[in-house]
Amino acid sequence: DAGVIQSPRHEVTEMGQEVTLRCKPISGHNSLFWYRQTMMRGLELLIYFNNNVPIDDSGMPEDRFSAKMPNASFSTLKIQPSEPRDSAVYFCASSLGQLEKLFFGSGTQLSVL
Amino acid sequence: QKEVEQDPGPLSVPEGAIVSLNCTYSNSAFQYFMWYRQYSRKGPELLMYTYSSGNKEDGRFTAQVDKSSKYISLFIRDSQPSDSATYLCAMRPLQGAQKLVFGQGTRLTINP
Repeated sequence: DAGVIQSPRHEVTEMGQEVTLRCKPISGHNSLFWYRQTMMRGLELLIYFNNNVPIDDSGMPEDRFSAKMPNASFSTLKIQPSEPRDSAVYFCASSLGQLEKLFFGSGTQLSVL
Repeated sequence: QKEVEQDPGPLSVPEGAIVSLNCTYSNSAFQYFMWYRQYSRKGPELLMYTYSSGNKEDGRFTAQVDKSSKYISLFIRDSQPSDSATYLCAMRPLQGAQKLVFGQGTRLTINP
């Protein structure tokens, strides 16, 4: 099993640019989560999907953030326009119905200059 | 006040020592308690998972939950350099908001 796959591993962009982060969950998992991790705020849930449907997006900080899950094997998190305060590590995680047992990807390190 | 409080450390101990990691929480509705381990430049991975109160042991790791004190602990016996990582506690209620609340994480280093 390849685990949760995220791309890119690193992204450096300039303020105002659009950023798209990608995630492929573990095959067969029906829940997908996007988290953001910073030193100051720790690990924060941004949004999660169940069976490709967004269930809770209350953690999405602003309208600049959007997430989609067009099918069971792919999700994107988009930031448009990006700002320096968006710099963080973004993790995607998936699970098979059990919120306690999340499988995380290796993350995308985003730097907005 | 955060729902889950965890000392970020860093914590540094010699190899072979017993390590105690702790979290406190304020929401009495929390029923599921987890410990995740995160190595540098990696995503967190589930280490231990307990429901409600009591102890759970898995090899060198023991998780304890004291709901009366709203306090959870993770003990590592015979600590090894490979245990060096950040340990995050996480918890969620039985019903209601179906999402985990994570602690800040404690950075642990085991010195050979």
